[in-house]
Amino acid sequence: IAGITQAPTSQILAAGRRMTLRCTQDMRHNAMYWYRQDLGLGLRLIHYSNTAGTTGKGEVPDGYSVSRANTDDFPLTLASAVPSQTSVYFCASSGSPLLADSYNEQFFGPGTRLTVL
Amino acid sequence: GQNIDQPTEMTATEGAIVQINCTYQTSGFNGLFWYQQHAGEAPTFLSYNVLDGLEEKGRFSSFLSRSKGYSYLLLKELQMKDSASYLCAVMDSNYQLIWGAGTKLIIKP
Repeated sequence: IAGITQAPTSQILAAGRRMTLRCTQDMRHNAMYWYRQDLGLGLRLIHYSNTAGTTGKGEVPDGYSVSRANTDDFPLTLASAVPSQTSVYFCASSGSPLLADSYNEQFFGPGTRLTVL
Repeated sequence: GQNIDQPTEMTATEGAIVQINCTYQTSGFNGLFWYQQHAGEAPTFLSYNVLDGLEEKGRFSSFLSRSKGYSYLLLKELQMKDSASYLCAVMDSNYQLIWGAGTKLIIKP
């Protein structure tokens, strides 16, 4: 593994189904993030984690949950998918979340394209 | 509320120079980032400004004026591979990134 990986690459899901998007990083970064990206809108933060064992809500958390059991993994779960959750989901990580520094750039995974029908 | 504004789309000619502007209103300021995103790919980091002035990195430069809530990304000697979306993001007082919708840059031969 080099950097951040996400799985699956794409998924078509029936409304009402449960789905977990996986994210793993091997950079030993403290902070991890989940974003969704929709056409015409900026990246919107769903949930974040500043360090293993802690999570926080972002701008659009409703319908999503996360866990951070260890440093490397940060799965995102849709408990009961709805069509409005159709989007491209990006996982990202950064080294020092509470630092205004150029080294706090966020590194992104390749994304998961999710379609909810 | 928090707001990041940048043009939706710009067109430029190969070999030319283009300036992409970004204005912001955020709760707090801990730096401004520019990212490049090719179609169907993940964003990748280009530059970071936290103090006023110009930061130069090869063909790309980024400028910041905190008093005006304004930044620009300057791309010189444009190449076809520079066709991409350019995302402006501000780190707010909670150290979270607030993202603009991105500027799609089209390079013509």
